[in-house]
Amino acid sequence: AQTVTQSQPEMSVQEAETVTLSCTYDTSESDYYLFWYKQPPSRQMILVIRQEAYKQQNATENRFSVNFQKAAKSFSLKISDSQLGDAAMYFCAYRSETYNNNDMRFGAGTRLTVKP
Amino acid sequence: DAGVTQSPTHLIKTRGQQVTLRCSPKSGHDTVSWYQQALGQGPQFIFQYYEEEERQRGNFPDRFSGHQFPNYSSELNVNALLLGDSALYLCASSLARGFMRYTFGSGTRLTVV
Repeated sequence: AQTVTQSQPEMSVQEAETVTLSCTYDTSESDYYLFWYKQPPSRQMILVIRQEAYKQQNATENRFSVNFQKAAKSFSLKISDSQLGDAAMYFCAYRSETYNNNDMRFGAGTRLTVKP
Repeated sequence: DAGVTQSPTHLIKTRGQQVTLRCSPKSGHDTVSWYQQALGQGPQFIFQYYEEEERQRGNFPDRFSGHQFPNYSSELNVNALLLGDSALYLCASSLARGFMRYTFGSGTRLTVV
């Protein structure tokens, strides 16, 4: 079974600085999707960025980028120029590429604090 | 805004009771997934509904059941509530065809006392 591990329960960053959140996963599959979701106090899970495992190029979305290391099964999120609005819980998630496997696996999350 | 709507936002129930949570998917979406998020944990997949049928189920007991209506809205029912059922229940909608990009609702906070 696929598992997702986030080893940093809490992280803190100064406004305008850069922070990296870590995520590792375990799978025997070769094709899958990886995601980072943000959950602010409003509780709604918001997609930050996604990566298809077959793509070697790391995904980027404005200030957010990932470092995808397939062999190491590592998927870290880098937030550049951190803003106060980035403060939230961040969850790493895995989903199989298999069409009928819709079970998205989440890590336990990392709480990010942004200091002014 | 035609995002995912969940009701109620908060609910308090007594052990042994039954509860029904509701979800209206994002406009245009035909698939609804339910997740349970216990305090301090990531969401766990309960089940997914498509074409009014349970398409896939996670590792949850039969006390958890669901339904999808012709308008794609969905209900999650939990019978014989336990204290451990206290959690945030998230609904996510998506399209069955093509890449399954979830849109999440803000959840229902269920407290069992």
